[in-house]
Amino acid sequence: DTGVSQDPRHKITKRGQNVTFRCDPISEHNRLYWYRQTLGQGPEFLTYFQNEAQLEKSRLLSDRFSAERPKGSFSTLEIQRTEQGDSAMYLCASSTRGADSYNEQFFGPGTRLTVL
Amino acid sequence: AQRVTQPEKLLSVFKGAPVELKCNYSYSGSPELFWYVQYSRQRLQLLLRHISRESIKGFTADLNKGETSFHLKKPFAQEEDSAMYYCALGGLTGGGNKLTFGTGTQLKVEL
Repeated sequence: DTGVSQDPRHKITKRGQNVTFRCDPISEHNRLYWYRQTLGQGPEFLTYFQNEAQLEKSRLLSDRFSAERPKGSFSTLEIQRTEQGDSAMYLCASSTRGADSYNEQFFGPGTRLTVL
Repeated sequence: AQRVTQPEKLLSVFKGAPVELKCNYSYSGSPELFWYVQYSRQRLQLLLRHISRESIKGFTADLNKGETSFHLKKPFAQEEDSAMYYCALGGLTGGGNKLTFGTGTQLKVEL
């Protein structure tokens, strides 16, 4: 499978614990996005990388959240001191950068986080 | 600010009936609109984008800037069209294209 992969697929944690998610984009894609989706809502943009540079962060991304893409390939999203409100599906997407800025974003299967 | 509104959470139609999934947007610039679809137990995937002006799986969507709408239409619904549909608005950010999604409409095609 050469699509976007995410690990783990499910994570259950207790409030106050730290969690880290990983996203592996499609290999030739230099753009990587993180979204969060809560029940009954559409995905909401969190942050965006072009290669290893984090170019934008949503105000949804509080100080407890940090994302990295150290070598411009895979990315990690860490949530520190988790709260029950962090329970959601975390989606990763990747795309190429071409002459057309609106290249198709390919989504991963998501990581479902449950904070008890 | 960018916003996408999908007024219907659920749309139920009979097989062979026409389908229209509504989408309205708010954006101050020149909008780029998309429809994404999520079939049961599958990941989110692009269905169509307005600049392509193409028909995918019999679906079409026309951008109406006057009404700020991008409704998704299909003349004859098929059972395999049952899925969650999200309208999305692309906004330039640092050269990238973050998407602003609506809340989605669950389409159920009944036999």
